[in-house]
Amino acid sequence: AQSVSQHNHHVILSEAASLELGCNYSYGGTVNLFWYVQYPGQHLQLLLKYFSGDPLVKGIKGFEAEFIKSKFSFNLRKPSVQWSDTAEYFCAPHTDKLIFGTGTRLQVFP
Amino acid sequence: KAGVTQTPRYLIKTRGQQVTLSCSPISGHRSVSWYQQTPGQGLQFLFEYFSETQRNKGNFPGRFSGRQFSNSRSEMNVSTLELGDSALYLCASSLLYSPVRDTGELFFGEGSRLTVL
Repeated sequence: AQSVSQHNHHVILSEAASLELGCNYSYGGTVNLFWYVQYPGQHLQLLLKYFSGDPLVKGIKGFEAEFIKSKFSFNLRKPSVQWSDTAEYFCAPHTDKLIFGTGTRLQVFP
Repeated sequence: KAGVTQTPRYLIKTRGQQVTLSCSPISGHRSVSWYQQTPGQGLQFLFEYFSETQRNKGNFPGRFSGRQFSNSRSEMNVSTLELGDSALYLCASSLLYSPVRDTGELFFGEGSRLTVL
């Protein structure tokens, strides 16, 4: 059965710090990979996605993620975070259904 | 265009009661998925409907059920409510059905927050 693990449950950073959120999944077949974000008081929305091709994908607001097939990983990165990036981030591999990790709560302080 | 609409937004029930939640997908979207969101558990997949048929189901007891109508609107029902059913229930719609590669993103509603006392 497919599963997903997000290693960081709560991350606290200062503005301009670099961010990397870990995501590992387990599934032997073809998988599409997503990161979703939930800003305070808002609904979930897509941050970025990987289907095929270049394993380094770019999303909205300067976020990017790298798919490393050999490590079953899809880590999310941003070189310099802003206060407005405070949100909860969910990694979501998709096989026959979309499953979500438990989420990482990111707090960015000015 | 209008987003995914879920009703009611908030509701309070007592143990043993049943509840029905409604979801109207984005116009033209034929797939509707339901998720349960709780602190610490994240989002857990409940089920997915496409063309009025349940295509996929998560690991929830039979008390959780759903259906989809011909206009793609969907409802989910929870019978014999338990305290642990307190959660935010999210509905998401998409154009295509899950097993199709490059299925695209899910568009989420704001959720129905259920409190069971």
